[in-house]
Amino acid sequence: EPEVTQTPSHQVTQMGQEVILRCVPISNHLYFYWYRQILGQKVEFLVSFYNNEISEKSEIFDDQFSVERPDGSNFTLKIRSTKLEDSAMYFCASRLRQMINEKLFFGSGTQLSVL
Amino acid sequence: QKEVEQNSGPLSVPEGAIASLNCTYSDRGSQSFFWYRQYSGKSPELIMFIYSNGDKEDGRFTAQLNKASQYVSLLIRDSQPSDSATYLCAVNNFGNEKLTFGTGTRLTIIP
Repeated sequence: EPEVTQTPSHQVTQMGQEVILRCVPISNHLYFYWYRQILGQKVEFLVSFYNNEISEKSEIFDDQFSVERPDGSNFTLKIRSTKLEDSAMYFCASRLRQMINEKLFFGSGTQLSVL
Repeated sequence: QKEVEQNSGPLSVPEGAIASLNCTYSDRGSQSFFWYRQYSGKSPELIMFIYSNGDKEDGRFTAQLNKASQYVSLLIRDSQPSDSATYLCAVNNFGNEKLTFGTGTRLTIIP
């Protein structure tokens, strides 16, 4: 089965530093997403991206966050100035179409630890 | 606030028995419903989706949807130790990009 690839698997950073989380969605997919999961809590939607622009974002996705698809294959999430509460597992996801039965493929996640 | 509620468990079920997982949702506009399995430290893995009232079966799994009661459930027949995981319920409104997840139910199958 095709895979969404995320790097790095673990990222440790100091509070206030910028981090970039990287994802390679499945090659023919058109819709891209970031979700996060704080330890012991629910999976939360951050942002969706289609046709090179954000199509929907949550209240969590404030000005400190940005997404980019710089080269047609990578999809990145940047956190400009990390806070302790940004520590979480970040999942990238993609799917081919926005249809009710279209499967969402999740990557294996990046565990971000902000110290 | 659109919520998806699940009993966090843990739910312990003997091997070979039926595991029953439940989920309620608050947004009457929700149109599609998903069950994901998540092993500790791993990403969610889709088990089933359902969008019509009634039952949908796939192998040992049956999803049940009752929109009037805003209730969706997952039955796992002939439970195996490998079914031990956290099961996440997620809902979506057609036209909305996002999935709204519940906190998950931790299921343990006892050999």
